[in-house]
Amino acid sequence: QTVVTQEPSFSVSPGGTVTLTCGLSSGSVSTSYYPSWYQQTPGQAPRTLIYRTYTRSSGVPDRFSGSILGNKAALTVTGAQAEDESDYYCALYMGSGIWVFGGGTKLTVL
Amino acid sequence: QVQLVESGGGVVQPGGSLRLSCAASGFTFPSYNMHWVRQAPGKGLEWVAFMRSDGSSEYNADSVKGRFTISRDNSENTLYLQMNRLRADDTAVYYCAKDGGGGNCFFDYWGQGALVTVSS
Repeated sequence: QTVVTQEPSFSVSPGGTVTLTCGLSSGSVSTSYYPSWYQQTPGQAPRTLIYRTYTRSSGVPDRFSGSILGNKAALTVTGAQAEDESDYYCALYMGSGIWVFGGGTKLTVL
Repeated sequence: QVQLVESGGGVVQPGGSLRLSCAASGFTFPSYNMHWVRQAPGKGLEWVAFMRSDGSSEYNADSVKGRFTISRDNSENTLYLQMNRLRADDTAVYYCAKDGGGGNCFFDYWGQGALVTVSS
């Protein structure tokens, strides 16, 4: 069974830069998996940040960027702000109409 | 603006059934694939089911295969999730999500969710 891996937690200072990653338990993540990223604060629905690896969703600040780093998809927050403290989830399209989410990363800004 | 409004959540006993609805507005519903995604209390997101825009095919996560059925009524702009043989581990907030289209394979708009609690 395919497992999508994310760091459980990460911490960044205000104004700092942090990179969250999204990997596979077996194999490498490539653009062929159409990596996407979602931000969620407690009690709220997810918000779409990045799709198709690199593309920012409408209205998303340009301090959020997506990429492939090595064998993983990555979400970089450059110049982190207090309001970026959230849970972040990646999703990969596995083909054949199947998607898998990572376990999520809790980002703390302090 | 795009709106997705889920309804039909509630408390159900193990082994019971429930049907969720998702009323869509603000976009051409028959033109877009749609998804259900769930989140158990204190846990992460889990993709549940996908249906093509014309209803021609559906796909489900292994965890719900044979128990849950996704469907849609394009004349009513509504997506459904029929949940049978419910188990305690199906307890979650269920989100309806619009596919981003264009072959980009992502979820671009989300509803606010419907809570389903499976408990005796």
